[in-house]
Amino acid sequence: AQKITQTQPGMFVQEKEAVTLDCTYDTSDPSYGLFWYKQPSSGEMIFLIYQGSYDQQNATEGRYSLNFQKARKSANLVISASQLGDSAMYFCAMRGPSNYQLIWGAGTKLIIKP
Amino acid sequence: GAGVSQTPSNKVTEKGKYVELRCDPISGHTALYWYRQSLGQGPEFLIYFQGTGAADDSGLPNDRFFAVRPEGSVSTLKIQRTERGDSAVYLCASSSRQGAQETQYFGPGTRLLVL
Repeated sequence: AQKITQTQPGMFVQEKEAVTLDCTYDTSDPSYGLFWYKQPSSGEMIFLIYQGSYDQQNATEGRYSLNFQKARKSANLVISASQLGDSAMYFCAMRGPSNYQLIWGAGTKLIIKP
Repeated sequence: GAGVSQTPSNKVTEKGKYVELRCDPISGHTALYWYRQSLGQGPEFLIYFQGTGAADDSGLPNDRFFAVRPEGSVSTLKIQRTERGDSAVYLCASSSRQGAQETQYFGPGTRLLVL
């Protein structure tokens, strides 16, 4: 069965510092996709970044990058130069080739301190 | 273009009542998903539509829950005889097609409170 684990329930980070949010996954499928979403207090789930299991390079989107370590089954999100607006819940999710649904972690609450 | 929209944004109802939650996906997206998110947790899958048909409804918790998408666009999630445990945020997402790499785009959710 597929599973996503996020071990950090909450994190405090100083503004302008970089932050790494951890995500480990478990799947027996060779083909899968990994996603990170941001959920501010308003509730909307905002797509941040995607990494495919066969992608040779780590995904990057602006200040977001994904540290993909396939052998360790980890897909950590790195946010560079954090901003106050980055304060939110962050969810890691996975989807396999035969799944329609996303499998979600429990999330990490990130608070950026001024 | 417009994103996924959901109405109402908030719904308060009494135990035992019937509710309908509406989702309007991104134009042209054929895949539509419903998830339920309880406080402090990640979303849980409810049902997936490809076009008009429910391709996977394995996440619906019981027969009080039902969803339709009659014209392959707007979808309605229907909950009969609501219970206090149904209180959650109901999220709708859409994607352009199925596949492990396809990104699902979410609406703002409907916050359902059953008193």
